[in-house]
Amino acid sequence: NAGVTQTPKFRILKIGQSMTLQCTQDMNHNYMYWYRQDPGMGLKLIYYSVGAGITDKGEVPNGYNVSRSTTEDFPLRLELAAPSQTSVYFCASRLTGVNTEAFFGQGTRLTVV
Amino acid sequence: ELKVEQNPLFLSMQEGKNYTIYCNYSTTSDRLYWYRQDPGKSLESLFVLLSNGAVKQEGRLMASLDTKARLSTLHITAAVHDLSATYFCAVDMSMNRDDKIIFGKGTRLHILP
Repeated sequence: NAGVTQTPKFRILKIGQSMTLQCTQDMNHNYMYWYRQDPGMGLKLIYYSVGAGITDKGEVPNGYNVSRSTTEDFPLRLELAAPSQTSVYFCASRLTGVNTEAFFGQGTRLTVV
Repeated sequence: ELKVEQNPLFLSMQEGKNYTIYCNYSTTSDRLYWYRQDPGKSLESLFVLLSNGAVKQEGRLMASLDTKARLSTLHITAAVHDLSATYFCAVDMSMNRDDKIIFGKGTRLHILP
């Protein structure tokens, strides 16, 4: 199993550009999450999903969109990149019904200039 | 809105010493997770605490959960340099019919040789 895979690992965007951060998991987990981590800070929840076709806002959803068309994939879209979105983005997944923690991908480091 | 507060946020300690990191949270929950993050890396699961009075130990680290006090602790015994990292607690909101996992800001632990 590869676990949770995020692409790309690094990206530089110009202000106003858009991009999609990809996240896929091969563990058949139903719950998936997107977090951002600013330097020296904790993780803030952006969006999460409890299954295909179901998404919900987290703590800091503004400026982002998500979709969940399959169990495996949970892409995060930035439509109009702003410097405030410079951060490290982590995707995570877990299985509910079983008392397990969330497993994290390796992260995407995004810089908006 | 759930608040998760860790303290201290930064801790510098000598090898061989004992210390405790505290995680307080503001709403009812009976599930809490501890993660470790090394610089530039992703998050690694350390402990899953699933009920009041739960205690888990792994090597020099021991975690406990008091759901009535809304408090979890991570105790370090006879610290060694390899334990230098940032430690996060994360609160599972499922007891509140919510699917979020909310993180604290993290405790940056620096162990001096």
